[in-house]
Amino acid sequence: DAGVIQSPRHEVTEMGQEVTLRCKPISGHDYLFWYRQTMMRGLELLIYFNNNVPIDDSGMPEDRFSAKMPNASFSTLKIQPSEPRDSAVYFCASTLTGAGHEQYFGPGTRLTVT
Amino acid sequence: QKEVEQNSGPLSVPEGAIASLNCTYSDRGSQSFFWYRQYSGKSPELIMSIYSNGDKEDGRFTAQLNKASQYVSLLIRDSQPSDSATYLCAVLSGYALNFGKGTSLLVTP
Repeated sequence: DAGVIQSPRHEVTEMGQEVTLRCKPISGHDYLFWYRQTMMRGLELLIYFNNNVPIDDSGMPEDRFSAKMPNASFSTLKIQPSEPRDSAVYFCASTLTGAGHEQYFGPGTRLTVT
Repeated sequence: QKEVEQNSGPLSVPEGAIASLNCTYSDRGSQSFFWYRQYSGKSPELIMSIYSNGDKEDGRFTAQLNKASQYVSLLIRDSQPSDSATYLCAVLSGYALNFGKGTSLLVTP
């Protein structure tokens, strides 16, 4: 079975531009998580969804960040406008209720904002 | 703030030795604990989960949990150079995972 799929794998953009990151969770999983990883702060949870509904977005750093999950197989994380301090690796992960909360990560998107 | 603490390392062990990785956490209500391995430039990969006090073994890996001491550890027996990676401890709070910043392990031939 395919794992979590993310696109793009690398994104380089200029400050002020809009960035959209995409994620396809493992088929059948009902929880989806967005994380950000930096050397300074480690791996931080940004937001998570259950059955396509946002449950906790307290980790979203600012209003410039938004996330949607229009259906069970697709989610987006958007940054508008982007800033250099948003440079990080963004991971998507998914899990299934009753599976012991074991989360499986996608390959990540490395974002560089110049 | 629910903290998960790990020694950043690097922890260097010779090939064939036992590597011991430690983690402490602050949320006494946590019931589920995980170890992830992350190679440089790659995503975290789940290697162990543990939910009850005591030891859980899977191949060369043993996870140990002591909820009273709020302590989780990972032992890697017969360490191999391919085990060189960063090991992340994660603690479940509600449905969210709180991660430590990881311990870098280097296994030298």
